[in-house]
Amino acid sequence: NAGVTQTPKFQVLKTGQSMTLQCAQDMNHEYMSWYRQDPGMGLRLIHYSVGAGITDQGEVPNGYNVSRSTTEDFPLRLLSAAPSQTSVYFCASSTTKRETQYFGPGTRLLVL
Amino acid sequence: EDKVVQSPLSLVVHEGDTVTLNCSYEVTNFRSLLWYKQEKKAPTFLFMLTSSGIEKKSGRLSSILDKKELFSILNITATQTGDSAVYLCAVVGGATNKLIFGTGTLLAVQP
Repeated sequence: NAGVTQTPKFQVLKTGQSMTLQCAQDMNHEYMSWYRQDPGMGLRLIHYSVGAGITDQGEVPNGYNVSRSTTEDFPLRLLSAAPSQTSVYFCASSTTKRETQYFGPGTRLLVL
Repeated sequence: EDKVVQSPLSLVVHEGDTVTLNCSYEVTNFRSLLWYKQEKKAPTFLFMLTSSGIEKKSGRLSSILDKKELFSILNITATQTGDSAVYLCAVVGGATNKLIFGTGTLLAVQP
């Protein structure tokens, strides 16, 4: 049972480069979300989706885009990476917003 | 502004000690409070609390919620080195019913 998977595990980017962080879940969860975790800041919500075709902004959405074409996948795109986006990114899913969220293993991103 | 505050920020104890971690919140439209344990990677779920005064237990860990005073505690008895982790508290609520995290408590259990 794979649960929530994320790729890559680690990535180094140069300022201005773009990339996509992949997230997939095999639990048929409707709700998926992206968080970033920075020292002293806790987990902050970037974007979330309540189902295929529906996305919305979280607390810190600037510089990130998402789409939800299928129930299983919820990729996070960095259009033009900045050093301030250096962080650990977690994807999570749950059956509804109010239920327990299951987290992926995280992607550690370094922007130089 | 909705917020979740955890204390202490960090603590160091010895194996066998009992610890209490605190989580207070000011969140509109409160739905539930969750505790997570985060070791080196992703947070893993511990408890979800929705009703005041009902203790949830799992082995040496227990947690309780006080909705009147807007806080929760997580107790760990007879701590072990494997309990060393960051413990995260999160509240489901706010205007859009999202998960709002505290910054966590770093627990270090020394042998």
